[in-house]
Amino acid sequence: DSGVTQTPKHLITATGQRVTLRCSPRSGDLSVYWYQQSLDQGLQFLIQYYNGEERAKGNILERFSAQQFPDLHSELNLSSLELGDSALYFCASSSWTFPVDTQYFGPGTRLTVL
Amino acid sequence: AQSVAQPEDQVNVAEGNPLTVKCTYSVSGNPYLFWYVQYPNRGLQFLLKYITGDNLVKGSYGFEAEFNKSQTSFHLKKPSALVSDSALYFCAVRAPTGYSTLTFGKGTMLLVSP
Repeated sequence: DSGVTQTPKHLITATGQRVTLRCSPRSGDLSVYWYQQSLDQGLQFLIQYYNGEERAKGNILERFSAQQFPDLHSELNLSSLELGDSALYFCASSSWTFPVDTQYFGPGTRLTVL
Repeated sequence: AQSVAQPEDQVNVAEGNPLTVKCTYSVSGNPYLFWYVQYPNRGLQFLLKYITGDNLVKGSYGFEAEFNKSQTSFHLKKPSALVSDSALYFCAVRAPTGYSTLTFGKGTMLLVSP
């Protein structure tokens, strides 16, 4: 158990809908990362937050957004869902260690768009 | 841009035999390199990382990885495979700059037969 929690584990929804995925980082970790894992695209970095501020952006669609709250938990919002958004969404967290941090991953949320 | 290649989609090895999972990378500057493992329906688990120094890095569960700068490779190894090592293995690279993010390879499925 990495100490990173994600809810829900599974989510089934319809095209055009909006969903929110939640992540609680390990105790003390200030950074939160979101990834999308699909069969065709592999593991893709979406976005990173550090202590409430957006730090880095990857291949995140405009229909997707995220935020990190004062208690450091993070939410990933996916809207106008399409069939192709079906994937595993992972959250990871890290704390700064010199010279590079290590990301610890949560168990993921499996999103199915019908 | 940084990238990782895992040339084998699948590696098959018999229990008790040594295993190698290959990884090559491309990045500007000296890389930070990582290996993660993903068991079915689980998140990614950190195995080991290379920062600098000794080219042989030891990690969890008896795994080690060898960094070769001239060949830009970071192959994962284990002297004696176990059936329980069967899983999906990801190599990742990060550039040595402040806000660089992790780039993952597509993963290699390791199957260890009894």
